[in-house]
Amino acid sequence: EIVMTQSPATLSVSPGERATLSCRASQSVSSHLAWYQHKPGQAPRLLIYGASTRVTGTPARFSGSGSGTEFTLTISSLQSEDFAVYYCQHYNNWPPWTFGQGTKVEIK
Amino acid sequence: QVQLQQWGAGLLKPSETLSLTCGVYGASFSGYYWSWIRQPPGKGLEWIGETNGIGNTNYNPSLQSRISISVDTSQNHFSLKLNSVNAADTAVYYCACHAGNTYGPYDFWGQGTLVTVSS
Repeated sequence: EIVMTQSPATLSVSPGERATLSCRASQSVSSHLAWYQHKPGQAPRLLIYGASTRVTGTPARFSGSGSGTEFTLTISSLQSEDFAVYYCQHYNNWPPWTFGQGTKVEIK
Repeated sequence: QVQLQQWGAGLLKPSETLSLTCGVYGASFSGYYWSWIRQPPGKGLEWIGETNGIGNTNYNPSLQSRISISVDTSQNHFSLKLNSVNAADTAVYYCACHAGNTYGPYDFWGQGTLVTVSS
């Protein structure tokens, strides 16, 4: 099973600032990496797949990068609606698919 | 646009069987992977398993001995059964799906169902 490790656990950011979230895989997942946004009481929302491809409707301020074992989600200028928990998930080769433990982006 | 609407019992006693169903609207069953994911209180997301409804079904090894995911195309829904539940199975359970004939991320999600296991 591939272990996904996210850092930091909590990120305190002021509106308008940049946020950088990291996700590391215990072995290569190529570019088979997705990012989700999860708000309390809602279902997770797929933002990015293939490590860097935005889903239709994902604002351009969200960008993903990386391949292999190191990945980054960047939110260029945080808006109020972006404060949430973000999860990475791999879907490389064979199940089980695993998620990182999440990064909570909170208002500073 | 695919919509998923889930339902099932929200309170169970230890050793009972969890049974959840996810109705599918706006899609046929072919060309998708149908999945269940859960989130225990205060914790992250855990993948439970998935099926494409035509013979490719995969389960989380940690739950494999207790779970079953099935598709009922005549009723346009898929289901999760988890046997012998205990307190550690308390979680919000989500159904989700991926559009495609190969593995991929989850494009669409149900609203979530809180299942509590308590005596």
